[in-house]
Amino acid sequence: AQSVTQLDSHVSVSEGTPVLLRCNYSSSYSPSLFWYVQHPNKGLQLLLKYTSAATLVKGINGFEAEFKKSETSFHLTKPSAHMSDAAEYFCVVSGGSGGYNKLIFGAGTRLAVHP
Amino acid sequence: GEEVAQTPKHLVRGEGQKAKLYCAPIKGHSYVFWYQQVLKNEFKFLISFQNENVFDETGMPKERFSAKCLPNSPCSLEIQATKLEDSAVYFCASSQSVDRAFFGPGTRLTVL
Repeated sequence: AQSVTQLDSHVSVSEGTPVLLRCNYSSSYSPSLFWYVQHPNKGLQLLLKYTSAATLVKGINGFEAEFKKSETSFHLTKPSAHMSDAAEYFCVVSGGSGGYNKLIFGAGTRLAVHP
Repeated sequence: GEEVAQTPKHLVRGEGQKAKLYCAPIKGHSYVFWYQQVLKNEFKFLISFQNENVFDETGMPKERFSAKCLPNSPCSLEIQATKLEDSAVYFCASSQSVDRAFFGPGTRLTVL
């Protein structure tokens, strides 16, 4: 079975400072991992995905994440936060034996960016 | 089209009334998923389809929830006799590969 734990429910940073959103996963199989962002009253947008290729994954808007199997982590980072990054971020895992499997969402991390 | 379409955007129902939500997946995508988001966080998987066949329905409260994906029609999620706790945003997603799901904008259901 797969599960995801987002270690921080809220993260607050100043504009221009680095962002770190932490995610640990559990999976019986080789997982596919994703980060999605949800802006207020909007749908979900895919930031990046890991699907067993390069362990350092670059996404949109300057975000990147590193898959660390030994630590079962997939933390999301960005070198310099913008005000427009304020949103809810979801770490998601998918994976299983054969076929397409449902996405399992973490509880979300709310990122606040202060001027 | 290249976007998942969901209608209506907002739906208000009195407790006990029926609610029906629609989803048009991206053309060519074989998989359709429904998720329920309560209280702006917690995404709960409800059901998935592979074409018109139910693929995984482990998340469905079967007493009142039902869903269909028929050929040449939008997929639908129906809630009979809605309850207050059904108030949520319902997201539909479609996919053609294991590594990418496209989400619709959601339908906000409010049960009064």
